[in-house]
Order: sequence, then structure tokens, then C-alpha cells
Amino acid sequence: DVKVTQSSRYLVKRTGEKVFLECVQDMDHENMFWYRQDPGLGLRLIYFSYDVKMKEKGDIPEGYSVSREKKERFSLILESASTNQTSMYLCASTSGSMGTGELFFGEGSRLTVL
Amino acid sequence: DAKTTQPPSMDCAEGRAANLPCNHSTISGNEYVYWYRQIHSQGPQYIIHGLKNNETNEMASLIITEDRKSSTLILPHATLRDTAVYYCIVRVASSSNTGKLIFGQGTTLQVKP
Repeated sequence: DVKVTQSSRYLVKRTGEKVFLECVQDMDHENMFWYRQDPGLGLRLIYFSYDVKMKEKGDIPEGYSVSREKKERFSLILESASTNQTSMYLCASTSGSMGTGELFFGEGSRLTVL
Repeated sequence: DAKTTQPPSMDCAEGRAANLPCNHSTISGNEYVYWYRQIHSQGPQYIIHGLKNNETNEMASLIITEDRKSSTLILPHATLRDTAVYYCIVRVASSSNTGKLIFGQGTTLQVKP
């Protein structure tokens, strides 16, 4: 069964802490994505990556960075967490033929910043 | 991407077919219709997509009207585990908008025993 695995389902951090959210996929997908999901705002794309060491900004990249050192792993980094980054974070991946391909999502990481 | 309109909520009896409608009257010729669902506290799950022909897979069927201005997702025998928010999304299938799925409010389907 294909899988996108996010390292933590629930995290609680303090303002100013550095936060790492890890995502691993076992489908050999080229493309990986990080979203956040907030009530009333739907899914918003933070960053995505087409290939190892490549990254592109999504719609709301401010306050975030990413790392893609290996094809299967895509990390989201909050350099200095703030309370407005409290959210559900979702990782997804898809194959190279992105045109009609579906996105496979992880189960999500719910981050609370106090 | 074209805007979609879905009813906010629907109920369905367990074992019966669930028919979830979606209006996308401004859809353009190169836009696909995608359906995802999200069970509470989990990530979205892809269900099915289509361009103009009806599609069927192991999870559901997608019926697209001839003018493509609306579609219906059919879960043929709903179970309690199908209780979720169902999202209808219309997007151009190209690498230029990769990953840019716009999830609206969706339809909350409640399957009842």
C-alpha cells in the first residue's frame, strides 16, 4: 500500500522554537508538497519540490523553509515558531506526470504553538 | 480554476447509494473534475477524477453531464466509514498549477446506521 508518512501527528511548541516537520513517501514520487489547513481557509500551499534539492514557493511561504536532500523526504522548517502558525500541516506527493495525477496525502501533523 | 458549488451537508443510510452533486458551470474545456474526501483528523484522500466521460473505480463512480457544468460522485453502497467531508475540485491538469488544489467548503456526508 502506498504511503506518505508524517513524523508527528501532534506537536506542541513554544513561541520562538525551531520546528521540523518531516515527510517521507515510498512511491518514488518526484513531486512533494507542504500545505496548511485552517478552518474556513481550506488548504493553502506553502512550498513544493519537483526534484531533489529543488524547491518552489507556494502561496504562503513566509515564515517557513523546506529541505529536500533525498527524493523520498521533504522537510518543513519553522525557524521561529509563532502562534499564528498553529495549524494542521499536510504533506503530499505525486508522480512526475502531474498533469492528471492524483495527490497522495499524509495523515497530517497538528501543531500548536503556545 | 473554475469555482465549484456543493451542498454543505447530506445524510445517507448505510448500505444505500450516496449521490454527491457538484456544480461547476464556468468549467473550461481543459479542466478536469477531481474528488477528494477528508475523514476527520486525517489527510485528504483522492477518490476519482474525469474530464468528460463517466469514470468508475473501486471506490466510486463519477458522472459528468454532457455540458460538463455539473457532476455527481456516487458511492454505491455507503458505509459508516464513508462519513467524511467530500471536496469537488476543478483544475487544469498541467504542471504549471501543480499541487494547487483549491479545496472549498465541501459536502459533509453523514452515513447513518
